[in-house]
Amino acid sequence: DTAVSQTPKYLVTQMGNDKSIKCEQNLGHDTMYWYKQDSKKFLKIMFSYNNKELIINETVPNRFSPKSPDKAHLNLHINSLELGDSAVYFCASSQGWGGPTKQYFGPGTRLTVT
Amino acid sequence: GDSVTQMEGPVTLSEEAFLTINCTYTATGYPSLFWYVQYPGEGLQLLLKATKADDKGSNKGFEATYRKETTSFHLEKGSVQVSDSAVYFCALSESGNQFYFGTGTSLTVIP
Repeated sequence: DTAVSQTPKYLVTQMGNDKSIKCEQNLGHDTMYWYKQDSKKFLKIMFSYNNKELIINETVPNRFSPKSPDKAHLNLHINSLELGDSAVYFCASSQGWGGPTKQYFGPGTRLTVT
Repeated sequence: GDSVTQMEGPVTLSEEAFLTINCTYTATGYPSLFWYVQYPGEGLQLLLKATKADDKGSNKGFEATYRKETTSFHLEKGSVQVSDSAVYFCALSESGNQFYFGTGTSLTVIP
């Protein structure tokens, strides 16, 4: 029954490594998002895909690369991890694009870079 | 498991009207509660939070009180403005690691 799922829930890794976070939604939505939550709990949008096409690409390092193999999946790959990448990353999905839409969030992935 | 339920929208109000957006939660422990706001074309921003029972979070004229007895965290504002038009999300977190979001309530304020 899980609407938006993310794996893994926790990820601890060393600087310089490459890692991926997976996101899947079973709601039939056509838009998916990645957010980064900072230490003050603000969620900053990183990427948004609509029908597998990149719609939003906020100013994030090139080390972050989203990949959407199909409308139900939006994975986040991070190269050469840095200490500052430590955060909670949220995936979300919604139907439609262009206006206020209800978003369904995954539970988050806590990434810790040591 | 933990979950958040918030009122269905959309909500349409005239400027200076009173706003209430209901949020109730289910949790196994003692969560922190949050309200986030998403303005058109932007990501979610933290609006306010409360970390324990009877705490009141407030920001930009919005308030919400953590009610353990009714497991609620309703968002209120005494006089809304057109600029408050946005989608509002209620959320909880028990550990700071896992967050559970409501599905959002769209608010439109008309002049």
